[in-house]
Amino acid sequence: AQTVTQSQPEMSVQEAETVTLSCTYDTSESNYYLFWYKQPPSRQMILVIRQEAYKQQNATENRFSVNFQKAAKSFSLKISDSQLGDTAMYFCAFRRETSGSRLTFGEGTQLTVNP
Amino acid sequence: NAGVTQTPKFRILKIGQSMTLQCTQDMNHNYMYWYRQDPGMGLKLIYYSVGAGITDKGEVPNGYNVSRSTTEDFPLRLELAAPSQTSVYFCATGQGTSYEQYFGPGTRLTVT
Repeated sequence: AQTVTQSQPEMSVQEAETVTLSCTYDTSESNYYLFWYKQPPSRQMILVIRQEAYKQQNATENRFSVNFQKAAKSFSLKISDSQLGDTAMYFCAFRRETSGSRLTFGEGTQLTVNP
Repeated sequence: NAGVTQTPKFRILKIGQSMTLQCTQDMNHNYMYWYRQDPGMGLKLIYYSVGAGITDKGEVPNGYNVSRSTTEDFPLRLELAAPSQTSVYFCATGQGTSYEQYFGPGTRLTVT
């Protein structure tokens, strides 16, 4: 079974600064997908970024980028130029390559961006 | 195009009562999922479906039942509600060839 671990229950950052959220996972699969989801107070689950394990290049979406270390089974999220609207719970999630596979989530990191 | 809709948004149940959480999608996705999110925790899979007429258990199925008679609908049934079922429930959909899951807005359920 796959497991996802987020070791930082809470983090804070000043507006406009950079912050990195950590995630490690455990799997015996060689091909899989990794995700970061954002959950603001509205509770809506919003996909931030995804990474395919077979791709060596780290994914980037505007101010969001990942550091994917496959051998170390590490998948951290970097948020640059933090904005107040980035305040949310962030979840790391794993999905097997098989079509329709479920997501396995970490326990989340509550990020607060301070003005 | 509404995406994934869930009703109700909020509900309070007494111990031992039953209810059905509704989930409807208009994206014609084959795969549908029910997750629960306990306070301060990540989401855990309750049940899932790979298509109409086919359902299977996830990590935490006890106390729940599902059915999938159509592609669009995937209701979650709680029988004999217990305080341990106090949670936020999310429905999600996905396509076999796509890696993304699309989430509904959630239902907050309190059992007292």
